[in-house]
Amino acid sequence: QSALTQPASVSGSPGQSITISCTGTSSDVGAYNYVSWYQQHPGKVPKLMISDVSNQPSGVSNRFSGSKSGNTASLTISGLQAEDEADYYCSSYTTSSTVVFGGGTKLTV
Amino acid sequence: EVQLLESGGGLVQPGGSLRLSCAASGFTFSSYAMSWVRQAPGKGLEWVSTIRGSGGSAYYADSVKGRFTISRDNSKNTLYLQMNSLRAEDTAVYYCPKVYGSGNDPFDYWGQGTLVTVSS
Repeated sequence: QSALTQPASVSGSPGQSITISCTGTSSDVGAYNYVSWYQQHPGKVPKLMISDVSNQPSGVSNRFSGSKSGNTASLTISGLQAEDEADYYCSSYTTSSTVVFGGGTKLTV
Repeated sequence: EVQLLESGGGLVQPGGSLRLSCAASGFTFSSYAMSWVRQAPGKGLEWVSTIRGSGGSAYYADSVKGRFTISRDNSKNTLYLQMNSLRAEDTAVYYCPKVYGSGNDPFDYWGQGTLVTVSS
């Protein structure tokens, strides 16, 4: 159950777009379309932003989108806003019926 | 409104035990799988365990398998995590998120968490 690999940090300017990658294996990210993304502001609880690779839960801005290719999933945030500055975590269901998170990415706007 | 309230955290010595509880409201508790996810101070999220709505199936991370037991009482809308043989590396905030959909994830609602500190 090794953690999924995410970049430690990414940055962008307001209005720009950024992409955060999440690399796993054929036993997790590559096995199913069950990749999720969470946003966590400092001192706050995680918030589900994307489920099932590319689905936005109700209430989530459409500036957030997800995709997957092979063993790597990606979260793209378009039209960056100051409020998007947070930690982002990917997660994936695995072939062992477990769940694995990525190490997290700190987004600086 | 969905509400999840974790309790039971505290300071415990290495090798000790602790039982966490999570009181749920605002949804049909027995219809959804529930999980425990932890976050060590300044670190990332780590999935710990998930139990199905019926309580019939449970899943664990390798790091806690054989030491932690997840359970639920659907008559009380409460989720539990029995933690035995605690280690320093179990120190974390423990969350009890609700599972969205029919699988073991994702997690759509989270409580505020309860802090477990394992130290002598």
